[in-house]
Amino acid sequence: DGGITQSPKYLFRKEGQNVTLSCEQNLNHDAMYWYRQDPGQGLRLIYYSQIVNDFQKGDIAEGYSVSREKKESFPLTVTSAQKNPTAFYLCASSTIPGSEAFFGQGTRLTVV
Amino acid sequence: GENVEQHPSTLSVQEGDSAVIKCTYSDSASNYFPWYKQELGKRPQLIIDIRSNVGEKKDQRIAVTLNKTAKHFSLHITETQPEDSAVYFCAASSPGDKIIFGKGTRLHILP
Repeated sequence: DGGITQSPKYLFRKEGQNVTLSCEQNLNHDAMYWYRQDPGQGLRLIYYSQIVNDFQKGDIAEGYSVSREKKESFPLTVTSAQKNPTAFYLCASSTIPGSEAFFGQGTRLTVV
Repeated sequence: GENVEQHPSTLSVQEGDSAVIKCTYSDSASNYFPWYKQELGKRPQLIIDIRSNVGEKKDQRIAVTLNKTAKHFSLHITETQPEDSAVYFCAASSPGDKIIFGKGTRLHILP
């Protein structure tokens, strides 16, 4: 069953702790993206990767880090430097940059 | 960088009427304009897209129009049904580049 998988669906962390969100795809897509969704804010781009071992900052990269060591995987780390980390995080992938994006089911992160 | 503005933020229409959502973009190099639908608690899914070499595209009750000169594009939903209630996002992307989304429109279909 092909697709893009995010885990976990819900995640709770204490303030000050780093946390890593998983994103895996078996669609053989080159491009992968991380978006943050807040009410009334739409989908804001955190980081994106056009190819393995390369990634670029999006509009709201501060307090986040990523890696792209494998084509299938694009994990996002929310660091303690992110001032307001509680949000819904969506991962997406596309065949090539700038084409149809397929989304994972999202991870809802709550920091207490 | 690219900036996408979307209006309105909320739209209520009577069942059976038409709904129109409008977006503008800033980067003249953008050439790909998708529209996504997100139902409550679910992931966004592509419903229709258009590339800059065409001005209009239609798929059953939904259509998208693009005006490259004015840098705006619109989503049209005709004969709206209850299952059309959702949040709709427009987006824009230039060749080989990231996809930038608008802030979304919450569409309510009234009985």
